[in-house]
Amino acid sequence: AQKITQTQPGMFVQEKEAVTLDCTYDTSDPSYGLFWYKQPSSGEMIFLIYQGSYDQQNATEGRYSLNFQKARKSANLVISASQLGDSAMYFCAMREIPGYSSASKIIFGSGTRLSIRP
Amino acid sequence: GAVVSQHPSRVICKSGTSVKIECRSLDFQATTMFWYRQFPKQSLMLMATSNEGSKATYEQGVEKDKFLINHASLTLSTLTVTSAHPEDSSFYICSARSRTGGGGLQPQHFGDGTRLSIL
Repeated sequence: AQKITQTQPGMFVQEKEAVTLDCTYDTSDPSYGLFWYKQPSSGEMIFLIYQGSYDQQNATEGRYSLNFQKARKSANLVISASQLGDSAMYFCAMREIPGYSSASKIIFGSGTRLSIRP
Repeated sequence: GAVVSQHPSRVICKSGTSVKIECRSLDFQATTMFWYRQFPKQSLMLMATSNEGSKATYEQGVEKDKFLINHASLTLSTLTVTSAHPEDSSFYICSARSRTGGGGLQPQHFGDGTRLSIL
C-alpha cells in the first residue's frame, strides 16, 4: 500500500529565506507520481509541482523545486525566497500510475503548516 | 481559470437534511472523479472514486448509503450527504481527472471545496 509521511506539522520561516518541507513516501509500484499542493486558509488546493518516478532531473517551477531522492524515497519541496503569501498548508501527495496498479488514486500526507514571518 | 467547478461553496442546514454537492469539469471530460473529506487542520481523506457510468468505489469505512455518489456524465459528479448530522460537518473537495492518453500521468484538478455545517 502506498503511504506518504510529512513529519513537520508546522514551520516558521523569515521572509525571503528559503525553506524545505519534508516528504517521504512508500510504494511497491515502480511507476508513480509525486505532487505538492498548497492549501491557503480559503481551502482551495493549488497544484505546485510534479515529479515522475522515472524523471531524471528534479522538477522546478519558478520558486518551487522538488528535491527527489528516489533511493531514499523522499520528495522534499524547496521554496526559495519565501514570501508572506506563501503562508499556507502544504501537502505532499502520491499517485501510482495506471497500468501497474489498480489503485490509481492520489493520497495525501498529513500536511505542513508554513508561516512566513515579515 | 478554474477547470473544476464545485457548488455550493458553503452550506449550512439543519440536522436530518440531505445535501447535494455538485462537481463539474469545465473544459475537459472527466472519466474519473474523486471525493475527499477534510476535517479542520487535517489532511484530505479519500472517500470514493467514481467512474462515469458505473458505481462508485468507496474507501474502507465510508458509508455508501450515507454518501451517495453519482457520476452520470463526463462532466458532472454529485455527492449527496443523506440525512446529515452534525458529525458530517466537514470540508468536502472533489477532484477530476481526464481521459487516459498515451499511458502518461493525466492531470488531476481540484474544485474549491464545499464547507458543510450541520446544525
